[in-house]
Amino acid sequence: GAVVSQHPSWVICKSGTSVKIECRSLDFQATTMFWYRQFPKKSLMLMATSNEGSKATYEQGVEKDKFLINHASLTLSTLTVTSAHPEDSSFYICSVRDHPSYGYTFGSGTRLTVV
Amino acid sequence: GQQLNQSPQSMFIQEGEDVSMNCTSSSIFNTWLWYKQDPGEGPVLLIALYKAGELTSNGRLTAQFGITRKDSFLNISASIPSDVGIYFCAGLSTSGTYKYIFGTGTRLKVLA
Repeated sequence: GAVVSQHPSWVICKSGTSVKIECRSLDFQATTMFWYRQFPKKSLMLMATSNEGSKATYEQGVEKDKFLINHASLTLSTLTVTSAHPEDSSFYICSVRDHPSYGYTFGSGTRLTVV
Repeated sequence: GQQLNQSPQSMFIQEGEDVSMNCTSSSIFNTWLWYKQDPGEGPVLLIALYKAGELTSNGRLTAQFGITRKDSFLNISASIPSDVGIYFCAGLSTSGTYKYIFGTGTRLKVLA
């Protein structure tokens, strides 16, 4: 499958600041990437579908102005958590949909802690 | 968001024992995937299933796509300590959006 790199692996930020998380598909041109959020001991919840060259599609209940997604190239999607609050602390994971298996390859995740 | 129900939620087993877990849904899925997640890491794909009734193996792992297309099973034979982790099933929505819905997870702990 594809090789997916996510950066940073962890970040601590102050309330009110913004944090950008990068997801790179190193060996696969990804027209679509997915962003997930995972709370401790919980499952992965899809936040949004990132589409290269167009607007992201957000899942119900996810604030698009809060979680800004940019997919400017076939190898990079970014998630920016704006005006972060402690409740935004979570594990954020991106994934790429590989062909032809249609399975997902996940990045290693970013643990965000807002203090 | 929508989730699939996995059982058991967690399990402790002795090294060498076989493990069975399942994933059920009220909806039909076209594809089932099984992932393993280690602490602090992203999930890693173990097995992919594409047809109802399909039985697929990957080493000591065997998974089956239920005939009703509403469930899937994962078996691990002769468990070893490195099998510890969280196992997630994922079903591909039939809505045509190619979005996977993830199960609630089964946390496996292996006692040496």
